[in-house]
Amino acid sequence: EADIYQTPRYLVIGTGKKITLECSQTMGHDKMYWYQQDPGMELHLIHYSYGVNSTEKGDLSSESTVSRIRTEHFPLTLESARPSHTSQYLCASSERASYNEQFFGPGTRLTVL
Amino acid sequence: DQQVKQNSPSLSVQEGRISILNCDYTNSMFDYFLWYKKYPAEGPTFLISISSIKDKNEDGRFTVFLNKSAKHLSLHIVPSQPGDSAVYFCAAEGLRGAGGTSYGKLTFGQGTILTVHP
Repeated sequence: EADIYQTPRYLVIGTGKKITLECSQTMGHDKMYWYQQDPGMELHLIHYSYGVNSTEKGDLSSESTVSRIRTEHFPLTLESARPSHTSQYLCASSERASYNEQFFGPGTRLTVL
Repeated sequence: DQQVKQNSPSLSVQEGRISILNCDYTNSMFDYFLWYKKYPAEGPTFLISISSIKDKNEDGRFTVFLNKSAKHLSLHIVPSQPGDSAVYFCAAEGLRGAGGTSYGKLTFGQGTILTVHP
């Protein structure tokens, strides 16, 4: 059973606010990922991390930033939210770097007014 | 440039029959493929995977077939059940960076909505 958690599940916020989406996993996985998904569309990788103090940008350009200070925690921050940031954000983790499944959290549905 | 494509946005199947979901890819560097299922308001759940050295992998009611020459894979669900109704995503891994590692970066298709009617 995958144990990966995201909070909040839903967030409605005004333009210009700073937000942090939380992601935690209890499986001890080194590899963690953030994806962005719009309705009816594919998931796009926006950030990933191979371990503590390691972060990389993904294939889709994003104005968000991430940090990895602890193995289990991989928060995503938007300094100034805009309506174009409205989307679903999915966090995932995996045990190995390749050839294995990623376990996903339930996602955060973000709406910026 | 979408490298993984699921050309059928939706599929409707009767309970007990076979569901066949298709996925095409364009990049020959992909060498590991996965299928995920996603319910509304939940994250994707891993279903089954296949390495490029195989052409078939089976797990219970789920079988994935890979045709490398056609760059095509399919997911068969037999028999289909109403609880299988969800969005199904195929994903591919294998774009190699320096040192030959892919860093687990998955490229997803846009998903197919499967509806299984009782």
